[in-house]
Amino acid sequence: QQQVKQSPQSLIVQKGGIPIINCAYENTAFDYFPWYQQFPGKGPALLIAIRPDVSEKKEGRFTISFNKSAKQFSLHIMDSQPGDSATYFCAASIGGATNKLIFGTGTLLAVQP
Amino acid sequence: DAGVIQSPRHEVTEMGQEVTLRCKPISGHNSLFWYRQTMMRGLELLIYFNNNVPIDDSGMPEDRFSAKMPNASFSTLKIQPSEPRDSAVYFCASSHGGKVVAWGYTFGSGTRLTVV
Repeated sequence: QQQVKQSPQSLIVQKGGIPIINCAYENTAFDYFPWYQQFPGKGPALLIAIRPDVSEKKEGRFTISFNKSAKQFSLHIMDSQPGDSATYFCAASIGGATNKLIFGTGTLLAVQP
Repeated sequence: DAGVIQSPRHEVTEMGQEVTLRCKPISGHNSLFWYRQTMMRGLELLIYFNNNVPIDDSGMPEDRFSAKMPNASFSTLKIQPSEPRDSAVYFCASSHGGKVVAWGYTFGSGTRLTVV
């Protein structure tokens, strides 16, 4: 119940494409869903986050879509660039960033020029 | 702000030795988290503190691991004795502790631990 399942494990897209990363959860008590981006040799960095009372949130080229009834959420990267090549993690928690985040297993994204 | 500061960046030690990892959270952040990252298990939460008090240490693998937060600006993760299977990247993260969606964890750059 504490797991967050993430797919795909890896993804290759061409520059300008729209990679989509999906996550699913079971615990309906989760109320905070962030996405993190990690470059090699660095710690994960917060990209965008959403609460379950919102179905979509957009920040720049990054969009989270949230489906509360299906207990699923996804990250879309519009007009992807080679600089977006990184590992992306979804996560979930109860009560926001004060409490422990349960992370998905990560998606390694490669954007080819 | 310099962000979350971890030291050392790299640590190579022999099996059986004591290892101490250090973390300085962002000033004003009142939650601190220790995560371990491996290829096999991904990002695992080891322990977290709110206002310097340990809240959940259920992720600490065994008694060889211990963590302290003596004040708001410093935390340590200690492994004694270390084993090769402890080899991983250990991250410290801190957060403001509020419920604003834009606030999240700020991770340090990690300590890459190799136990030989």
